[in-house]
Amino acid sequence: DAGVTQSPTHLIKTRGQQVTLRCSPKSGHDTVSWYQQALGQGPQFIFQYYEEEERQRGNFPDRFSGHQFPNYSSELNVNALLLGDSALYLCASRTWDRENGYTFGSGTRLTVV
Amino acid sequence: TQLLEQSPQFLSIQEGENLTVYCNSSSVFSSLQWYRQEPGEGPVLLVTVVTGGEVKKLKRLTFQFGDARKDSSLHITAAQPGDTGLYLCAGARAAGNKLTFGGGTRVLVKP
Repeated sequence: DAGVTQSPTHLIKTRGQQVTLRCSPKSGHDTVSWYQQALGQGPQFIFQYYEEEERQRGNFPDRFSGHQFPNYSSELNVNALLLGDSALYLCASRTWDRENGYTFGSGTRLTVV
Repeated sequence: TQLLEQSPQFLSIQEGENLTVYCNSSSVFSSLQWYRQEPGEGPVLLVTVVTGGEVKKLKRLTFQFGDARKDSSLHITAAQPGDTGLYLCAGARAAGNKLTFGGGTRVLVKP
């Protein structure tokens, strides 16, 4: 049973560019959340998607946007990249009715130069 | 400002010693989770505690949720090198709500 799958695993982008990260949730999960983890820090919540709608959002600018598809997979888009956007981006999935059953992916390491 | 404060930030001990990691907040959480994260990997859920005063044991790991549901601790007995990693606590203010993570405690168990 595959867990949460994220792609790509590593990415290098230039300041000002745009990036799209992808996440396939664990089988049976319908809710996807995205987190940003800067080096040496704990993850910070970006947003959560359920039924193709953004349900909750953390304290991130509008440059961060997302989407959830009918098959429950999700994308995280970041526009106008800044050096400070360099981080590990984690996707976590669960079923909507199991509030605490989170499974995390291994993340996408984004480096902005 | 971290809503959840973890201490210590770093802990280095010898194999066989005990250790305790603390997770404190001024806010009440409906549930609190502990994760372990290894380099290049995502966090892996160890336990979820939901009731004030609750104690859960997972082999050599003991987790406690404070009576007021504002703090938690993780105690490892007879630590082994395989316990090395980044330990993260994360709280949810309401059921189904976003997780707020602490800054993490990096544990190194030397053989």
